[in-house]
Amino acid sequence: EPEVTQTPSHQVTQMGQEVILRCVPISNHLYFYWYRQILGQKVEFLVSFYNNEISEKSEIFDDQFSVERPDGSNFTLKIRSTKLEDSAMYFCASSGPGGGLETQYFGPGTRLLVL
Amino acid sequence: KQEVTQIPAALSVPEGENLVLNCSFTDSAIYNLQWFRQDPGKGLTSLLLIQSSQREQTSGRLNASLDKSSGRSTLYIAASQPGDSATYLCASSGGSYIPTFGRGTSLIVHP
Repeated sequence: EPEVTQTPSHQVTQMGQEVILRCVPISNHLYFYWYRQILGQKVEFLVSFYNNEISEKSEIFDDQFSVERPDGSNFTLKIRSTKLEDSAMYFCASSGPGGGLETQYFGPGTRLLVL
Repeated sequence: KQEVTQIPAALSVPEGENLVLNCSFTDSAIYNLQWFRQDPGKGLTSLLLIQSSQREQTSGRLNASLDKSSGRSTLYIAASQPGDSATYLCASSGGSYIPTFGRGTSLIVHP
């Protein structure tokens, strides 16, 4: 069964450093998402991406964040200058042509720890 | 702003019990509601998606219902098994199709 994959599974970085989280969505999906989950907290939406541009973003997704689909398969989340409060589990998800009306399939997540 | 609440926060039951997890949302103008399962330290697995025009969805031992007018959804798990132990999340999608998640119900099914 097709699945969303994410790399790395864990990342430890120093405050102020840039990190790039990578995702490979399901191949025929058109909508891509990033979410985060701070330990013990709710899953929070960050950004959605369709047709090579951001379609929605939350107030969390400020200028420190950016997303890119550099080729036909990868979808990345970049955090330019990490802060301690960026420590969280980051999930990528994708869905088919119906976008938000369809089931979103989540990857296993990247656990980011900022020291 | 949509708020999603899940009750109970935690539940421990013996194997074989039928159980109901509750989800309520404040804004009834939703497009769909989705139930997920999350295992510790893992990603989310979609269980059921109910469109706003539907009243329920079923998959195996799982049945989810949706009552938009009262802002409620329930997930019914029949004949629970230890393998059902996980956190169950509900998420409602409103005008921008972006899901708002609840905090989840942590379920333990003991043999």
